[in-house]
Amino acid sequence: AQRVTQPEKLLSVFKGAPVELKCNYSYSGSPELFWYVQYSRQRLQLLLRHISRESIKGFTADLNKGETSFHLKKPFAQEEDSAMYYCAPTRQGNTPLVFGKGTRLSVIA
Amino acid sequence: GAVVSQHPSRVICKSGTSVKIECRSLDFQATTMFWYRQFPKQSLMLMATSNEGSKATYEQGVEKDKFLINHASLTLSTLTVTSAHPEDSSFYICSAGGGIGINEQYFGPGTRLTVT
Repeated sequence: AQRVTQPEKLLSVFKGAPVELKCNYSYSGSPELFWYVQYSRQRLQLLLRHISRESIKGFTADLNKGETSFHLKKPFAQEEDSAMYYCAPTRQGNTPLVFGKGTRLSVIA
Repeated sequence: GAVVSQHPSRVICKSGTSVKIECRSLDFQATTMFWYRQFPKQSLMLMATSNEGSKATYEQGVEKDKFLINHASLTLSTLTVTSAHPEDSSFYICSAGGGIGINEQYFGPGTRLTVT
C-alpha cells in the first residue's frame, strides 16, 4: 500500500537554527516526490519537487531511494517559514497526490 | 502560474439540504481534478478523482451517493454534498493537474462548509 510517513506532528526551532522535516514513503514504482506548504490562511502550494533539484526559499530535499526518504532541510530557519508542510508522492502522469499527515513547523524568534 | 478557484469560499447550510461547490481552472484545461477533505489541524484526505466526461472515481469509504461529482467541462468540476449533516462540516479543497506529463497540481483556496 502507498504510505507516506511524516513522524513529527509539530517541530519547533529557534530562528537561525537548522531544520529538518522528515518524510519516509512506501510507494510502488518510481514516484515523483513533492513538498507542499500551507501558510496560515493560504492555499496549499508547491514548495519543491525532487526532480528539479532546486532550492526554494532556502529549502532543499534529497531523495534517498535506499532509505525511501525525502527529508526537507533548511540550514537557517526564518520566522516566515512557520507553516504546515506536507510530503506527497505521486505516480507519473495525472494522478492524485498521497499526502502525509503533515508537520507543523514553528520558528521561534 | 496556473490558478484554480473555488466557489463559494464559505457556506453554511441546514441539516438535510444540499450544497454545491464549484472548482474551476482559470487559465488551463484540466482533464482531471481531485477533491480533498481536510479536518481541522489534519492532513488532506483524497475523496475522489474527477474525470472530464466520465464518472468520478471515489476513494474507499467515500459515499458516492452523498458526494456527487460532476466534471462537465475541462475547466469545471462540481462537488455536491447531498442531504448534508453536521458531520459533513469540513474544509473541501480541489486541485487540478497541470496537464499531460506535468505532475504538479494546483490547489484551490478551499471551501469551508458548516452544516447546522
